[in-house]
Amino acid sequence: DAGITQSPRHKVTETGTPVTLRCHQTENHRYMYWYRQDPGHGLRLIHYSYGVKDTDKGEVSDGYSVSRSKTEDFLLTLESATSSQTSVYFCAISESQDRGYEQYFGPGTRLTVT
Amino acid sequence: GNSVTQMEGPVTLSEEAFLTINCTYTATGYPSLFWYVQYPGEGLQLLLKATKADDKGSNKGFEATYRKETTSFHLEKGSVQVSDSAVYFCALSPGAGSYQLTFGKGTKLSVIP
Repeated sequence: DAGITQSPRHKVTETGTPVTLRCHQTENHRYMYWYRQDPGHGLRLIHYSYGVKDTDKGEVSDGYSVSRSKTEDFLLTLESATSSQTSVYFCAISESQDRGYEQYFGPGTRLTVT
Repeated sequence: GNSVTQMEGPVTLSEEAFLTINCTYTATGYPSLFWYVQYPGEGLQLLLKATKADDKGSNKGFEATYRKETTSFHLEKGSVQVSDSAVYFCALSPGAGSYQLTFGKGTKLSVIP
């Protein structure tokens, strides 16, 4: 299995509070991604990173920010959590962007915003 | 833009039945195609992939063939087991220069003894 951990695995927070989710990899892969999974929507890309300090927005980036100060860590921050951000969040990594290179997924973080 | 459409679930089958989960895609160029599987409470795992037309991906008894003429990548298994109960996602990667995997909405499979 690819060495990807996510923390915390479960979190309950209140509307308006800041939340940071962490993704840590031991594979030294260049590319890292944050997705959210919601019923009826599959997985949707929030933000991705193509190197240290290099990040860009995905399909559903509003209300989220990211940072990557080291190859192995990719942080997702909800500056002021809202109930619509209740979801399961998955981190993924990949070695390359070339066609055919798959992404490897972490175990997920279940976030509930009350 | 790119999109993936897969059959709505849930799908319920008896053990040893034949499985087909349909997946069609829309993309420019020559995407790579993937099937991922998600077991309850876990993240997604790559099940199989195909990177060019007529390629067949296979793993654990599952197969899918990249059909460019019908823009399809249907997942099949000849004899399902209870342990195959999971959610299956079809996905495409447009290729170099694009960072995004596009997923279908997922198909939940339940296999009953």
